[in-house]
Amino acid sequence: GENVEQHPSTLSVQEGDSAVIKCTYSDSASNYFPWYKQELGKRPQLIIDIRSNVGEKKDQRIAVTLNKTAKHFSLHITETQPEDSAVYFCAASRYRSGYSTLTFGKGTMLLVSP
Amino acid sequence: GAGVSQSPRYKVTKRGQDVALRCDPISGHVSLYWYRQALGQGPEFLTYFNYEAQQDKSGLPNDRFSAERPEGSISTLTIQRTEQRDSAMYRCASSLATGSRPSYEQYFGPGTRLTVT
Repeated sequence: GENVEQHPSTLSVQEGDSAVIKCTYSDSASNYFPWYKQELGKRPQLIIDIRSNVGEKKDQRIAVTLNKTAKHFSLHITETQPEDSAVYFCAASRYRSGYSTLTFGKGTMLLVSP
Repeated sequence: GAGVSQSPRYKVTKRGQDVALRCDPISGHVSLYWYRQALGQGPEFLTYFNYEAQQDKSGLPNDRFSAERPEGSISTLTIQRTEQRDSAMYRCASSLATGSRPSYEQYFGPGTRLTVT
């Protein structure tokens, strides 16, 4: 089955700095890669995703890149703000027959200091 | 509109008791997933429903776990003869996806925190 590794486990940055979280996956058939943000005590919220037919996707201050050859993908957050502090999870899945089961990484706790 | 809802939000039960956890997906979402999230970990897939059909139960850890979605909307995850190792957050997620209408995004519910004493 799929295996997703996520690094780092914790990341501390100053407000305004950039943050990068990296994930690798094992199943070359995986074709959908979402990122979720989970604030303390809250549900995971989908913040951005990428499909295997594109290499990069941006949405305001966040971007995701995908390298299918190397089987890794990354989340980039620019101009970080204290409200970006949360646990971020990457996931990988193979979309087939109308559904996809997500395999998650272990998460990265991002702390943005004012 | 209303998001995915789950009940109860917290459940404390004694070892050996049965529990039933409920999930109400986003209206119109035909795909429903159950995940289990241990503290400090990402969600782990348990089972998947397409309408009322349980199409994938490969993640259910053993036969004490079962799920149903009889009318293709609300789903119930049942754990029989609970054990302490079953303690976790149980989350469901829903998606618009069908075989003829791909939709990748999954939206999670607030979860049920299960504690087995």
